Amino acid sequence: LAKTTQPISMDSYEGQEVNITCSHNNIATNDYITWYQQFPSQGPRFIIQGYKTKVTNEVASLFIPADRKSSTLSLPRVSLSDTAVYYCLVVPYGGGSARQLTFGSGTQLTVLP
Amino acid sequence: DTAVSQTPKYLVTQMGNDKSIKCEQNLGHDTMYWYKQDSKKFLKIMFSYNNKELIINETVPNRFSPKSPDKAHLNLHINSLELGDSAVYFCASSPPGETYEQYFGPGTRLTVT
Repeated sequence: LAKTTQPISMDSYEGQEVNITCSHNNIATNDYITWYQQFPSQGPRFIIQGYKTKVTNEVASLFIPADRKSSTLSLPRVSLSDTAVYYCLVVPYGGGSARQLTFGSGTQLTVLP
Repeated sequence: DTAVSQTPKYLVTQMGNDKSIKCEQNLGHDTMYWYKQDSKKFLKIMFSYNNKELIINETVPNRFSPKSPDKAHLNLHINSLELGDSAVYFCASSPPGETYEQYFGPGTRLTVT
């Protein structure tokens, strides 16, 4: 299982760029890296996924180095509404063991005014 | 037009009772899941199910059982409820082959007294 490690919490100010790094040292060749966002009293929401290098969508960017042992979620110019828990998840493409879909405790991002 | 819905949103019950949580998705997805989120925010998968296969996280007690009357529904039955079952339970679904992009329901907060 590709266990992930993230910081427990991070603080930022409105308008700043926030980078959240996730370590996944034993990632396998067919594993994808995904990130989810969860607001209080809501279910997680898919943000972005990638396999290598850089992926960008309208919400965030995901940077993955060549060795793929870590990944960084980048949120540009955060606002107060970006305050949430962010989960890094490593998943084998096409599925795999159900246990591999355990999200971990995530990173609580607090955006301050 | 909620994509993934769960009922009830809150459930308070006593130890030893049997209860069910219902989940419905209108996305046409093949695979549905049940997750448990504890007070420390760990989000752990309990079951993964499509019309072909039930994948069980082996750490889940057999008091928990999923029931799927059709492709759009995956209900969670819990027998002989215990205090430790208190948590938020999330249902989710995903398109075929893309288990890294899941769509979550709003959650059901279960409190066992």
